[in-house]
Amino acid sequence: QKEVEQDPGPLSVPEGAIVSLNCTYSNSAFQYFMWYRQYSRKGPELLMYTYSSGNKEDGRFTAQVDKSSKYISLFIRDSQPSDSATYLCAMSASGGYNKLIFGAGTRLAVHP
Amino acid sequence: SAVISQKPSRDICQRGTSLTIQCQVDSQVTMMFWYRQQPGQSLTLIATANQGSEATYESGFVIDKFPISRPNLTFSTLTVSNMSPEDSSIYLCSVLLTSGGTLYWAQYFGPGTRLLVL
Repeated sequence: QKEVEQDPGPLSVPEGAIVSLNCTYSNSAFQYFMWYRQYSRKGPELLMYTYSSGNKEDGRFTAQVDKSSKYISLFIRDSQPSDSATYLCAMSASGGYNKLIFGAGTRLAVHP
Repeated sequence: SAVISQKPSRDICQRGTSLTIQCQVDSQVTMMFWYRQQPGQSLTLIATANQGSEATYESGFVIDKFPISRPNLTFSTLTVSNMSPEDSSIYLCSVLLTSGGTLYWAQYFGPGTRLLVL
């Protein structure tokens, strides 16, 4: 069993839709949770960074962490074609100091 | 954030040869990391490279295959040695920086080097 599970998609939605991306994990030591966005032929770009449980909002993006269920989510409101990318969840026990454990990534396509 | 560049951006190599990938940052950073992203798979950490000390390798990765140098606080190299088609992958460096005005430290990634081994 992988430490981090993420549905690879692809996920196709119309412009303006609310997108929900999810990851589950098995290691209860994970405390730091990140979402990266990766456009084709580019490196991953840090999108959201949360510590422990709770919600964090940044513009159209909301990250949720439920440590009791070992489940994290990224919501994208009013999705745009420019949001079309692969979204990677990542997590670690000690922030950025140590290796990040990544999900496989979910490919998202937002069509006009 | 910082500007992180990698060279080459892509390469096609013959099996048995070696390729050195460079990672350059426009500010001084203590910790740099090297990851591999194989087709359809998640990013996997190869090693952590701190200036002034030997690189620390993850399980399944060895120095003879992936030697790393970290000569200063803005530069690192990863060499993929004696390559085989299984080494075809994207190789990414990341650096540890404070996360946009917060107290948290996060990893920021370079654009990657796309390697195809024939």
